[in-house]
Amino acid sequence: NAGVTQTPKFQVLKTGQSMTLQCAQDMNHNSMYWYRQDPGMGLRLIYYSASEGTTDKGEVPNGYNVSRLNKREFSLRLESAAPSQTSVYFCASSEVILMNTEAFFGQGTRLTVV
Amino acid sequence: EDQVTQSPEALRLQEGESSSLNCSYTVSGLRGLFWYRQDPGKGPEFLFTLYSAGEEKEKERLKATLTKKESFLHITAPKPEDSATYLCAVQSPYSSASKIIFGSGTRLSIRP
Repeated sequence: NAGVTQTPKFQVLKTGQSMTLQCAQDMNHNSMYWYRQDPGMGLRLIYYSASEGTTDKGEVPNGYNVSRLNKREFSLRLESAAPSQTSVYFCASSEVILMNTEAFFGQGTRLTVV
Repeated sequence: EDQVTQSPEALRLQEGESSSLNCSYTVSGLRGLFWYRQDPGKGPEFLFTLYSAGEEKEKERLKATLTKKESFLHITAPKPEDSATYLCAVQSPYSSASKIIFGSGTRLSIRP
């Protein structure tokens, strides 16, 4: 009963390096999300994918790209990491059903850019 | 612009001391309002969904209520294990897809 799985759990990058955060869900959900969480700022939406084949920008998309590889997987890429991208990243998924749209979250990836 | 504001930022209570957390929202139509609980080092965990003004949901010591402009999470006779950050989120049907926007949370601490 895995739910939403994120890898890696921890990562340290040097400024300018690139990396991809992976996310997979096994609940057959249509919608997937990437959030970042910073102290005192709550969760901010980076990108989301309403369904397989579509992606849209959220609140804070600059410096990030995403790929909805298939219905299960949604990856987040940092092309050139900056210290301002130090944060905890959460992937989430939800099934867009009228009366049942709560999101399920992964455990998070703690990213530090030095 | 859709916005969610939670208050207070932090709340410290004695075990058994009841209180309420507030979530005020501004959205162009409300598809749903969600409450989540987040423990340190973990992802948020779903608690409730509310859809229309006047609706109430309960789970153990927690009760969520909804009006046209805000939601309250009432905590009755809390225990130390209720200590967590409580997040409120809203979903608008008028965004291009299923976008959920979160508030910054209330950090609740229950002293034994």
